[in-house]
Amino acid sequence: GENVEQHPSTLSVQEGDSAVIKCTYSDSASNYFPWYKQELGKGPQLIIDIRSNVGEKKDQRIAVTLNKTAKHFSLHITETQPEDSAVYFCAARQLTFGSGTQLTVLP
Amino acid sequence: GAVVSQHPSRVICKSGTSVKIECRSLDFQATTMFWYRQFPKQSLMLMATSNEGSKATYEQGVEKDKFLINHASLTLSTLTVTSAHPEDSSFYICSAADGLYEQYFGPGTRLTVT
Repeated sequence: GENVEQHPSTLSVQEGDSAVIKCTYSDSASNYFPWYKQELGKGPQLIIDIRSNVGEKKDQRIAVTLNKTAKHFSLHITETQPEDSAVYFCAARQLTFGSGTQLTVLP
Repeated sequence: GAVVSQHPSRVICKSGTSVKIECRSLDFQATTMFWYRQFPKQSLMLMATSNEGSKATYEQGVEKDKFLINHASLTLSTLTVTSAHPEDSSFYICSAADGLYEQYFGPGTRLTVT
């Protein structure tokens, strides 16, 4: 089955800096890679996703890159704001999640 | 669009009682709904997958007689925790999907068993 590893587990950045979270996956047949943001006490919210037929996707301050050969994908958040502070999860396919990254944006 | 609701948001029950959690897709028809359990500071653990009108498919290690799932319609799935015990206390989250890719999560239900 699929296995997803996510790094780092915690990440602190200064407001305005960029944040990068990385995930690797094991099954080369996986073709869908979503990223979720989860605030404390709430359900995860889909923030961006990418399918295997593209290498990069951007939505305002958020971007995701995919390297199919190396089987890894990354979330990039630019110009971070305190409200970006949350736990971020990557996933491969629909149901295999990474372990999560606690992002803290320091004002 | 793609709003999923869960009810209740919080519930406290006594040990030995049963608790029902509802999950509804408000603005789309969900061919599949998923139930997850999440422990503090951990990732989501898939418990079961349910399709409308079919029996749920449970993940290994999840007791189907303890966690009863009913998917009565394309917009409603319920999870009943039977004979709850303190170790069942957790954050339960549902999600709904109308295809093979995007899934939309509910806000979660915090269950505390005393």
